[in-house]
Amino acid sequence: EVQLVESGGGLVQPGRSLKLSCAASGFTFSNYYMAWVRQAPKKGLEWVATISTSGSRTYYPDSVKGRFTISRDNAKSSLYLQMNSLKSEDTATYYCARHDLRGDYFDYWGQGVMVTVSS
Amino acid sequence: DVQMTQSPSYLAASPGESVSISCKASKSISNNLAWYQEKPGKANKLLIHSGSTLQSGTPSRFSGSGSGTDFTLTIRSLESEDFAVYYCQQYNEYPWTFGGGTKLELK
Repeated sequence: EVQLVESGGGLVQPGRSLKLSCAASGFTFSNYYMAWVRQAPKKGLEWVATISTSGSRTYYPDSVKGRFTISRDNAKSSLYLQMNSLKSEDTATYYCARHDLRGDYFDYWGQGVMVTVSS
Repeated sequence: DVQMTQSPSYLAASPGESVSISCKASKSISNNLAWYQEKPGKANKLLIHSGSTLQSGTPSRFSGSGSGTDFTLTIRSLESEDFAVYYCQQYNEYPWTFGGGTKLELK
């Protein structure tokens, strides 16, 4: 059974940093592109970052480019999101998601971890 | 960015009824569209990809149609477990974007 379990969320002040983790199990992690998707309170979903199987290629929307860094450790079947220079608008539930092998959509999601950016 | 507009935002229906949810893209996305289901306390579930292809495990009462800019998710003979929030997502070009969601509520 595919499982994605996020951790590392919490309350952080504006301008500070936070690192999220996602522990993957139930599949060969190194074979899949992985992603982070977020959902601000009472808002829709927003794709945040994607990383290739080896980690050599990463992709971001303009809203987080230069502030967020996605990375992975295939030996540990783990995905990470380093978030720097956090803003109040980064407050959201962050989901770890697996890219389907056939396309750039997400076939499995974690249950999410909450990040609150507030002074 | 490709803007995805879902309608309606809220939809009330009864078990056994059929409903349709619209998703419109601001430019052509071919058939590169997915639909997801969100339920409280559960991980989001991929229902349909490529506009109309059911993901393994998706009940046959779900169907997707459309291409280009206009897409529809139809649920026939609603069951109690179908009351949830539904999102569309385009993956034709970066950045991948989602619709604002449609909340399907019990009437």
